[in-house]
Amino acid sequence: DTEVTQTPKHLVMGMTNKKSLKCEQHMGHRAMYWYKQKAKKPPELMFVYSYEKLSINESVPSRFSPECPNSSLLNLHLHALQPEDSALYLCASSQDYGTSAYEQYFGPGTRLTVT
Amino acid sequence: GENVEQHPSTLSVQEGDSAVIKCTYSDSASNYFPWYKQELGKGPQLIIDIRSNVGEKKDQRIAVTLNKTAKHFSLHITETQPEDSAVYFCAAIGTGGFKTIFGAGTRLFVKA
Repeated sequence: DTEVTQTPKHLVMGMTNKKSLKCEQHMGHRAMYWYKQKAKKPPELMFVYSYEKLSINESVPSRFSPECPNSSLLNLHLHALQPEDSALYLCASSQDYGTSAYEQYFGPGTRLTVT
Repeated sequence: GENVEQHPSTLSVQEGDSAVIKCTYSDSASNYFPWYKQELGKGPQLIIDIRSNVGEKKDQRIAVTLNKTAKHFSLHITETQPEDSAVYFCAAIGTGGFKTIFGAGTRLFVKA
């Protein structure tokens, strides 16, 4: 099973709202990722968690706050977003990362619209 | 910085024909090259990958070739079918093993 699940599929939020995106995998992977994808562009890396610890933050604004409650779950908390943050948010996982490159498996994404 | 160039940006083929997508990477330390297929409204799906110690890999109708000297790698799809229509991304991962550098994508149309 190489499935990564994400909820919700779609989310519409106002600029003053607080919402969260959720991601789950049961493949025993120890690395999890958040990506942002704008229309007709490739995914852009936002965060990397390894063994439930934040390893990489690609200079993402603080209105995006990641959290990894356990090795299977990854959340992205959203607060005071801007309309330009509207995008497809993708979660991915891999067996590990660091000394070698591992296959990354992506979830279906959450389509976020900020009004 | 690290960069992956992908061509063409759009490719239209007749069902049954072959399709070839080419990528060039800049970081000579890159050692893993995955290919992703993304259908409308879905996340990228890993379809094939190749590591730097291999020159070619094949999986049914899909093959990938790697030329490390020239820093080129290519995706070959034979006997294309309408369900192959999607956006294809090449990518390269180098030292550190965490950051995937994606190409800009190729939109493939397979006409029935």
